[in-house]
Amino acid sequence: EAAVTQSPRSKVAVTGGKVTLSCHQTNNHDYMYWYRQDTGHGLRLIHYSYVADSTEKGDIPDGYKASRPSQENFSLILELASLSQTAVYFCASSDDWGAYEQYFGPGTRLTVL
Amino acid sequence: TQTVSQSDAHVTVFEGDSVELRCNYSYGGSIYLSWYIQHHGHGLQFLLKYYSGNPVVQGVNGFEAEFSKSDSSFHLRKASVHWSDSAVYFCAVRKASSGSWQLIFGSGTQLTVMP
Repeated sequence: EAAVTQSPRSKVAVTGGKVTLSCHQTNNHDYMYWYRQDTGHGLRLIHYSYVADSTEKGDIPDGYKASRPSQENFSLILELASLSQTAVYFCASSDDWGAYEQYFGPGTRLTVL
Repeated sequence: TQTVSQSDAHVTVFEGDSVELRCNYSYGGSIYLSWYIQHHGHGLQFLLKYYSGNPVVQGVNGFEAEFSKSDSSFHLRKASVHWSDSAVYFCAVRKASSGSWQLIFGSGTQLTVMP
């Protein structure tokens, strides 16, 4: 069974609209991450969290918010979606000391029109 | 500044060939390195990691990687590739951030295995 799941798997949003991407993990991991991947590029960290009810900014947090209501769930929120936020978004989890061993979800393809 | 460089954007080999995918890093702290594989349309999967000890580490599906401090490298190798190894491979280095850890990924190498 997949240990990190994401929903939706794909989404088309309008510019200026609100988008929420959800992630659920059953690994019992404390750390969760949101990355974006642009075509032909590596992953860039948006937000991460190491405990419920707390989130931290990654390398490219502008235009994104995150929410960690429980150990298992981590959401990424685009309050005002923009064209530049069209990308594939990945959620990942890791244990306390295994941040370099992360487990990824299948990704969400977001298209902003 | 922590960086990870994967100098080859594309590598093409034939099935049964050996392959080496290159990764060079720049980081001033303790070195934690890992490799991930991404098949088309899927998320990344962890392959292997290195922190200390034997510089040659074994991963899944016959992959191994060798750490070299003098060359600042962590190259990934496989002795005999299969068509199913066609994928994008990412090297990553862990860095400290705000009392926690995060990964810095390279830009990836697309490996194509020809029949």
